[in-house]
Order: sequence, then structure tokens, then C-alpha cells
Amino acid sequence: ILNVEQSPQSLHVQEGDSTNFTCSFPSSNFYALHWYRWETAKSPEALFVMTLNGDEKKKGRISATLNTKEGYSYLYIKGSQPEDSATYLCASVEDTGRRALTFGSGTRLQVQP
Amino acid sequence: DSGVTQTPKHLITATGQRVTLRCSPRSGDLSVYWYQQSLDQGLQFLIQYYNGEERAKGNILERFSAQQFPDLHSELNLSSLELGDSALYFCASSVRRIDNEQFFGPGTRLTVL
Repeated sequence: ILNVEQSPQSLHVQEGDSTNFTCSFPSSNFYALHWYRWETAKSPEALFVMTLNGDEKKKGRISATLNTKEGYSYLYIKGSQPEDSATYLCASVEDTGRRALTFGSGTRLQVQP
Repeated sequence: DSGVTQTPKHLITATGQRVTLRCSPRSGDLSVYWYQQSLDQGLQFLIQYYNGEERAKGNILERFSAQQFPDLHSELNLSSLELGDSALYFCASSVRRIDNEQFFGPGTRLTVL
């Protein structure tokens, strides 16, 4: 059973602060890692899909890194804005023949103006 | 708007009943995924179909089944409904594989009374 853990559970920052969250996953049988942004009352929105060890992805002020050998990924937000307030989910895919996603419980980010 | 459509938006039914949820993927996407989000649990992956064939299976109950039709739309059938099946059911689609970016529909809110 794949166990995906995210920390912290929630985070309150001030507008302009930079912040980062962690997603941990078992490193064996790794296939892919997804990051999603999920605003209240909306659907999850894909941020990144990462597959290669050492991969780094960037979209505007948001970036992510991946370490498949030690089983973690970091999501960074530079200069947080109130519109960044959302729950950030990661999901790991195991390569065990039949690939399935396992989601972490998310990090809830609140950015105060 | 992700381009993924789900019907109905809301569904209220009684225990023991059977319902069908429908999903139309983005144009050109061959993979469809179903997810369940209930109050006491995070987002749970149920099942993936690729071009009409089941490709990956997650925490899907035996009372639930899904299929993907030749026009690539998908249906999730939930039978012998229980109170605990009340949840938000999302459908997502991707171009091909589970390491491709997924686009989520607006969800169907199922309430079992």
C-alpha cells in the first residue's frame, strides 16, 4: 500500500511571503508524481506532473522539485498572493503493472492580504 | 472550464438504489479517471479507462462499476447505495497515460438518504 504524506497540514502566511510544502512517498516502484491546486468549491487543477529524479518544474511563481531516490517532492510558492489560497495536493503513481494514483491529504494554504 | 463535463451536478437518492454518473472527456483525451471525495476522506482514486479498456484500479467497491464507450464518454454505476456513498464524484481526463496532466470535471454531488 502506497502511503503519501504531505506536510504541513495547513499554513497561514502573509502576502509576499515565500513558502514551501513537502510531499513524501515510498521511493520503490515510483512512476510519477502529480501536484494539484484545489480551491474551495472548484475542481482540482493540475500544476505539474513529474517523472524524472532531479526534475524541476516551474509555472509562474510556483515551482516544484522531485527526489525519487529519497521519496520526496517540494512545492515552492514565491511571493504568495491571496489568490494562491487553496489546498495543494500531491498524488503518487506506483509502477506495479497496474498504475493507480494515491493522493496525500493536502496542505491548506491561507494567504492573508 | 477544463473541457470535461459531468452530469448530473447533483443527485439525491435513497439507500439501496442504483445511479449512473456520466462523464465526457476533453476532446482528444483517451483516458478517463474517476475519483471519490467524501467528508471524512481525501480524494480517492477509483478507476481509470483508456480508449475503452480498464487500465488501473484503485479503491473501488464491488458495488461500483464503470465503463468507457466507443465515443470515449464514461459512466460510473453505483448500486445498492449506502449512506456512506454520499460524496463528490469527480471525473478527469488526460491525453493518454497516467503520467499525463489530468483535467478535472466539475463533479457530481451524490447524496444518499
